[in-house]
Amino acid sequence: GQQLNQSPQSMFIQEGEDVSMNCTSSSIFNTWLWYKQDPGEGPVLLIALYKAGELTSNGRLTAQFGITRKDSFLNISASIPSDVGIYFCAGPDLKTSYDKVIFGPGTSLSVIP
Amino acid sequence: EAGVAQSPRYKIIEKRQSVAFWCNPISGHATLYWYQQILGQGPKLLIQFQNNGVVDDSQLPKDRFSAERLKGVDSTLKIQPAKLEDSAVYLCASSSKGLARSGELFFGEGSRLTVL
Repeated sequence: GQQLNQSPQSMFIQEGEDVSMNCTSSSIFNTWLWYKQDPGEGPVLLIALYKAGELTSNGRLTAQFGITRKDSFLNISASIPSDVGIYFCAGPDLKTSYDKVIFGPGTSLSVIP
Repeated sequence: EAGVAQSPRYKIIEKRQSVAFWCNPISGHATLYWYQQILGQGPKLLIQFQNNGVVDDSQLPKDRFSAERLKGVDSTLKIQPAKLEDSAVYLCASSSKGLARSGELFFGEGSRLTVL
């Protein structure tokens, strides 16, 4: 099946700084999804991207669907303590005809007040 | 709208014992997923149901894991016998899109299993 890679694996930043993380794959995706997982909770969808080149914002979060359809990035502006968590990129596996969603390994974000 | 409910939240067992996890998806959601999340890794799909039928169980260790979704609503995931490497969080998710390609899943809080 398809696989996703994320970088960086972890980040430690000061409150107020901007954050950038990305997700890559060796094969194309038609949908890119960004989820956040708070400690002790299940992942929650932040942003969904459905078109190559699409740039979508959700508050301080901005995500882009790469033109090659093999990558996506997520930016967080002016980070705050509640941004702490693990950010996963995900997408439906194109090798299946149903909604089989696969996840990357995640980027762990720590925000220092 | 009530979210995805899972129980128990935490379970500690010894290896070779059995354990069962329960999930009640969001009302009306036809698709139900069980993911395994090992510490430091992303969720890995174990089994996916569409209504009460299995659409994908390719990564389910069928010699020890089983899952069912009777009546197309709630679901149970069982492990028997458990191994040390089964220590993980078991996440249940549901989706209202059926076979559409949206990927928008709603997750429960997870059931954390520790095997000693």
